[in-house]
Amino acid sequence: DIQMTQSPSTLSASVGDRVTITCRASQSISTYLNWFQQKPGKAPNLLIYAASSLQSGVPSRFSGSGSGTDFTLTISSLQPEDFATYYCQQTYTTPQTFGQGTKVEIK
Amino acid sequence: EVQLVQSGAEVKKPGESLKISCTGSGYSFSNYWIGWVRQMPGKGLEWMGIIYPGDSDTRYSPSFQGQVTISADKSNNTAYLQWSSLRASDTAIYYCARRQYYWNSAGLDYMDVWGQGNTVTVSS
Repeated sequence: DIQMTQSPSTLSASVGDRVTITCRASQSISTYLNWFQQKPGKAPNLLIYAASSLQSGVPSRFSGSGSGTDFTLTISSLQPEDFATYYCQQTYTTPQTFGQGTKVEIK
Repeated sequence: EVQLVQSGAEVKKPGESLKISCTGSGYSFSNYWIGWVRQMPGKGLEWMGIIYPGDSDTRYSPSFQGQVTISADKSNNTAYLQWSSLRASDTAIYYCARRQYYWNSAGLDYMDVWGQGNTVTVSS
């Protein structure tokens, strides 16, 4: 299985901050990397697919980059509704593994 | 509107069987893979497997192979996840999601529409 490692596990930030979450794959996955946001009690919501493509309806403050083994999710200016847990997922091969999650908390 | 609607919460005893469902609407159900994802209490997301309702082609994560059965009925636009003998460790929320997959386009493989989740509680 391909292992996905996110850092940090927890991130404390303030409204308006620029936030970056990283995701590293245990082997090259090209751009088969997606990012999800999950709020408590809710299903995950797709933010970014194919490493850098913004899903329809997702605010433009979210962006993704990377290829191969190293990827980043950036929130350019953190908003109150962005406090949530974020997961990366590789879809290069099955099983399509997720990272362990990064919880973005209010500082 | 494209949506996946999952069956309701379940409370079961260890050793009992269970089949939960995920019904799609607003799109051609047979032509999109459906995936299942587990989330244990307070934990992260785990990919369990996927099924193509058009021909019931199914892929499992090795972690879940033999532990669950994924199936689909394209005539009812419904995918299923079932257990023959539940354990307390199966207590979790189970999500279904539609897979967008473009086989000839690099990187285009993602779950874009999710069900609301099924809470399964297994306790004696």
